[in-house]
Amino acid sequence: AQKITQTQPGMFVQEKEAVTLDCTYDTSDQSYGLFWYKQPSSGEMIFLIYQGSYDEQNATEGRYSLNFQKARKSANLVISASQLGDSAMYFCAMREGRGQGGKLIFGQGTELSVKP
Amino acid sequence: SQTIHQWPATLVQPVGSPLSLECTVEGTSNPNLYWYRQAAGRGLQLLFYSVGIGQISSEVPQNLSASRPQDRQFILSSKKLLLSDSGFYLCAWSVLRDRISYEQYFGPGTRLTVT
Repeated sequence: AQKITQTQPGMFVQEKEAVTLDCTYDTSDQSYGLFWYKQPSSGEMIFLIYQGSYDEQNATEGRYSLNFQKARKSANLVISASQLGDSAMYFCAMREGRGQGGKLIFGQGTELSVKP
Repeated sequence: SQTIHQWPATLVQPVGSPLSLECTVEGTSNPNLYWYRQAAGRGLQLLFYSVGIGQISSEVPQNLSASRPQDRQFILSSKKLLLSDSGFYLCAWSVLRDRISYEQYFGPGTRLTVT
């Protein structure tokens, strides 16, 4: 069965520094997609970044980058130059299964706190 | 651009009462639609998904049900709420991003408290 593991329940980072949030996954599929979402205290889930299993380069979106190591089955999120507004829960997710549906399975999340 | 709406934003209901949560999507056609539940401090659990009108797939056996009466409308219901139904309910829609994956976008959510 496919599984997502986030081993850091909480993280602290100083404003303007970089931080890495860990994510490992387990799947027997050759084709899959990996996602990171941000959930602030308001509850909305905000899409941050996506990495396809066939993508040879690491995905980047502004201050977000995904450190994709396929052999190690890890998809860590790197946030550069942290801002106070980055304080939130962060979820790693993987698309499950083939065909229609595009269902995602989520990790348990990491709570990031940015200190001024 | 596409937008997704959910209502109500918050809801307090007694045990045994019925439930109806609504989700609508604008700006897209024939989306895949999803209902997730998030317990406090936990990750998201997929409850139902739908690939078309009247087509519902259930992921977790429970006293909840879902319906899709229109292309861009997804409803989550219960005849009798349980205390364990409390949580944050998120509706999502997805679009095919590339040949292997979908990108999912979430609504603002409904916070349900069963008393």
